[in-house]
Amino acid sequence: EDQVTQSPEALRLQEGESSSLNCSYTVSGLRGLFWYRQDPGKGPEFLFTLYSAGEEKEKERLKATLTKKESFLHITAPKPEDSATYLCAVYGGSQGNLIFGKGTKLSVKP
Amino acid sequence: NAGVMQNPRHLVRRRGQEARLRCSPMKGHSHVYWYRQLPEEGLKFMVYLQKENIIDESGMPKERFSAEFPKEGPSILRIQQVVRGDSAAYFCASSPLIAGGNYNEQFFGPGTRLTVL
Repeated sequence: EDQVTQSPEALRLQEGESSSLNCSYTVSGLRGLFWYRQDPGKGPEFLFTLYSAGEEKEKERLKATLTKKESFLHITAPKPEDSATYLCAVYGGSQGNLIFGKGTKLSVKP
Repeated sequence: NAGVMQNPRHLVRRRGQEARLRCSPMKGHSHVYWYRQLPEEGLKFMVYLQKENIIDESGMPKERFSAEFPKEGPSILRIQQVVRGDSAAYFCASSPLIAGGNYNEQFFGPGTRLTVL
């Protein structure tokens, strides 16, 4: 069964304290792994797409990496405005079926 | 370029009433997806549509729920005879035409928060 598991469920960091979020996936034939950011009361905001193992993408303080079994979202020197829930998703068996993890709720304290 | 638009943003219905949720995809996007998010749970896929076609409705309950994406106008998610368990945030996403072996990212709207009293 296609599955996405994110860890930790919640992460509290001090401003400037770098860390990583994990997304483990099980899917038959990866056709894209996606990272989103979701703020309370809002829709998910697209961050990155990764297609093949070894691929990396960067945007400001965020860097996403991909292996054959998992993806990491590295946050370097986070700021309070990086506080949000970060979601990971992969395409499942059918063409339009994005499977989401439950997310990691990140809190960055000043 | 306007993003995905959803309305209403908040909808309150009494048990037994009908709820209609609307979604206008991003300009140039021909694929629309609906997801439901319950408190403390992840986003769950419901249905995938192209213009005038339902491509995949494997995540949608068999009864009371229906979706359409007509040739003209927004996509509609319709919930008949709502029950309290239908209370959730409903998100619409859109993507451009799929090409090649990989699949494009989906862009999400702000969601409609349905409350059933």
